[in-house]
Amino acid sequence: AQSVTQPDIHITVSEGASLELRCNYSYGATPYLFWYVQSPGQGLQLLLKYFSGDTLVQGIKGFEAEFKRSQSSFNLRKPSVHWSDAAEYFCAVGARSGNTPLVFGKGTRLSVIA
Amino acid sequence: ETGVTQSPTHLIKTRGQQVTLRCSSQSGHNTVSWYQQALGQGPQFIFQYYREEENGRGNFPPRFSGLQFPNYSSELNVNALELDDSALYLCASSLGTSGRMSTDTQYFGPGTRLTVL
Repeated sequence: AQSVTQPDIHITVSEGASLELRCNYSYGATPYLFWYVQSPGQGLQLLLKYFSGDTLVQGIKGFEAEFKRSQSSFNLRKPSVHWSDAAEYFCAVGARSGNTPLVFGKGTRLSVIA
Repeated sequence: ETGVTQSPTHLIKTRGQQVTLRCSSQSGHNTVSWYQQALGQGPQFIFQYYREEENGRGNFPPRFSGLQFPNYSSELNVNALELDDSALYLCASSLGTSGRMSTDTQYFGPGTRLTVL
């Protein structure tokens, strides 16, 4: 079964600074990979996903993520953070074979300071 | 286009009671998944309904049950509530084209916050 780890529980960055949120997965093959964002009082919104092809994936709101097979990672990046990016971010992994649901990490809470 | 809606927003129950949570899927979507998100945790899959049939179930006891209606809206029922059932319950709808839970893009509702005292 697949699993996912988000090593950072909470990250604080200054507005305008760059951001990288880490995600490591465990799966026997190349999985499907997702990043979701959850703002307070709201459900999860899909930022981007990786199924195959180019390992650098562009998403909404200026986010991108890079799939690195050798490191079993799918880190989320943004070159310049805005105060509105403050939220909880979840990485999720899906299996390519069988019919199993997505497995979510525990999330990383992002705080943005002026 | 109407997004995923859930009701109620908040709910307080006592141990042993039963609760029903409701979800209206996004227009055109035929699949609904339910997740439990405990405080400080990521969402955990409870089950999924595809065209009114259960399409998969996570590691939750039978007192968690569900239903999907012909209009693809859905209910989550929890019997004999326990304190650990306190959580945010999320509903997600998708257009099930592949029939596989890991590939169809899911659209989440805002959730129902359940508190069990």
